[in-house]
Amino acid sequence: EVQLLESGGDLVQPGWSLRLSCAASGFTFGNYAMSWARQAPGKGLEWVAVIRGSAGTTYHANSVKGRFTISRDNSKNTLYLQMTGLRAEDTAVYYCAKAINTASRWGGGSWGRGVLVTVSS
Amino acid sequence: QSVLTQPPSASGAPGQTVTIYCSGSSSNIGGNYVNWYQQLPETAPKLLIFNHSQRPSGVPDRFSGSKSGTSASLAISGLQSEDEADYYCAAWDDSLNGPVFGGGTKVTVL
Repeated sequence: EVQLLESGGDLVQPGWSLRLSCAASGFTFGNYAMSWARQAPGKGLEWVAVIRGSAGTTYHANSVKGRFTISRDNSKNTLYLQMTGLRAEDTAVYYCAKAINTASRWGGGSWGRGVLVTVSS
Repeated sequence: QSVLTQPPSASGAPGQTVTIYCSGSSSNIGGNYVNWYQQLPETAPKLLIFNHSQRPSGVPDRFSGSKSGTSASLAISGLQSEDEADYYCAAWDDSLNGPVFGGGTKVTVL
């Protein structure tokens, strides 16, 4: 069974940094593209970043480019999102998602429960 | 403003069919696969349809997807109370070089 467990969410002040982690199990992690998506309170979904399997090619949404960095450690079956220069508008539940299959460059075939990041002074 | 356009709401009586449309462009829906996600209240999204019309195992065949040109649609037939949820379309966008979501459609069962 695929399991994705996010951690690292917190209440931080504007300008601070935070690193989210997603521990994966139940599948061959390195064979799948992985993503971070977020949902601000009462709003819709927004894809934040995507990282390919073993090659590590990344894509970041324009709203976070230059501030957030997606990465992965295939030896630890863990996905990361390093967030710097946090703004109030980054307040959201952040979800970790696994690609639908090994050929997909993105996806959302399986999702974690999400972790809350609150940016406020 | 989302890159993919969905109506904010849709509704139907139990047993009826509700269809949700998702409008895009040649850089996303026109040239790439469309996925649909269901998000029940206070839960994570769930993949409902992938590659325009494929259903993951466990998804009832009451849910069906299709694509025509730069638009896609999700049909829910035999509407049930447990179908009340938010539904999102998504596709890769070649211009933005990343995936994009629609704004979401809230389905209400009357």
